Amino acid sequence: GIQVEQSPPDLILQEGANSTLRCNFSDSVNNLQWFHQNPWGQLINLFYIPSGTKQNGRLSATTVATERYSLLYISSSQTTDSGVYFCAVGYSGGSNYKLTFGKGTLLTVNP
Amino acid sequence: NAGVTQTPKFQVLKTGQSMTLQCAQDMNHEYMSWYRQDPGMGLRLIHYSVGAGITDQGEVPNGYNVSRSTTEDFPLRLLSAAPSQTSVYFCASSKARGRMMGYTFGSGTRLTVV
Repeated sequence: GIQVEQSPPDLILQEGANSTLRCNFSDSVNNLQWFHQNPWGQLINLFYIPSGTKQNGRLSATTVATERYSLLYISSSQTTDSGVYFCAVGYSGGSNYKLTFGKGTLLTVNP
Repeated sequence: NAGVTQTPKFQVLKTGQSMTLQCAQDMNHEYMSWYRQDPGMGLRLIHYSVGAGITDQGEVPNGYNVSRSTTEDFPLRLLSAAPSQTSVYFCASSKARGRMMGYTFGSGTRLTVV
């Protein structure tokens, strides 16, 4: 099956810093989503972004499908950004709604 | 509009007991799925469904059954619980046709099998 690798596995920031999270995948995809899991366990969809660039406030994401990677940018980080960020992909050769998740990046933002 | 509702939030079972984890969505989503989350493993797909009467296996289906009799509900059954099924279970839904949108997750069920 498709492989999804996220980096870095852990990241510690001071409040106000910027960060870039990366997601590499091993095959063509037609579905890519970024999620944030907060410290209470809730999973929130951040972006549906199989290609191109999107922005939502301090967060933005870019997917370069031809080079098989996606980036999530967090600017001016806040303590509420802490949690685990997951990338999940849907394989082009399969069902575009069935997602395979990476192992996540644990982000800690200190005040 | 409640989104995806999972019950119960917490459950402790003894080995060999059976139980059903409930999942309901009110967004008329065709696709529903169950994931389990274990430390260091990310989320792994158990079973999924693309509509009423249609289900299929995911990455880790053994020990679990599902059915989809209505668009709204997608229960997950553990027939004989084992300690290896101790995990946090998430139900998710999305559109499967037309304009794709992101997944919506339920709040999770934390299951402990002793």
